[in-house]
Amino acid sequence: NAGVTQTPKFRILKIGQSMTLQCTQDMNHNYMYWYRQDPGMGLKLIYYSVGAGITDKGEVPNGYNVSRSTTEDFPLRLELAAPSQTSVYFCASSYSIMAGRTGELFFGEGSRLTVL
Amino acid sequence: DQQVKQNSPSLSVQEGRISILNCDYTNSMFDYFLWYKKYPAEGPTFLISISSIKDKNEDGRFTVFLNKSAKHLSLHIVPSQPGDSAVYFCAASAPQGGSEKLVFGKGTKLTVNP
Repeated sequence: NAGVTQTPKFRILKIGQSMTLQCTQDMNHNYMYWYRQDPGMGLKLIYYSVGAGITDKGEVPNGYNVSRSTTEDFPLRLELAAPSQTSVYFCASSYSIMAGRTGELFFGEGSRLTVL
Repeated sequence: DQQVKQNSPSLSVQEGRISILNCDYTNSMFDYFLWYKKYPAEGPTFLISISSIKDKNEDGRFTVFLNKSAKHLSLHIVPSQPGDSAVYFCAASAPQGGSEKLVFGKGTKLTVNP
């Protein structure tokens, strides 16, 4: 009964380092998303994917890259980490693109990233 | 430019009383509104939604009211329980977009005191 699993839960990076946030879902959902939540702010969409091999930019894609080689996995890559990328990152998945109306958007527990 | 606004960062109520969380929006194209609840160290979970063709939707202790003319919606929790203490996000979507177009507010932290 795992749902959406994110790793790591916490990470501290130095400026200029790179890392990958992992996201896996076991619900066979086609749609997957990466959000970031800055302190006192709402969730902002970074990238999303409508299926294996297909990704697209969200509202705040700069400084990030994604790939979707399988239905289950949707890793988020940070290249050249900057302090502005300090945030909590949430991966989510949905069965339908209509999840924005049904509410059937399932989130992982989040990954807290600090860039110093 | 915030399209979905939750102007109260926090709200504190006594157990058993009513909690009212407010949300305003600016985009008249939004036609679905959702509330998500988030506990610390967990991801948001869906709570309740309302279509713009309705003005009220009820699910147990949770009721969402929509006032389209005022571009305002509110979430009522009656009676409030300590387990309701969480951050509540208002979100909205428009007909032309899928779930990738969901817009979230900043959230309101609700504390229900025993």
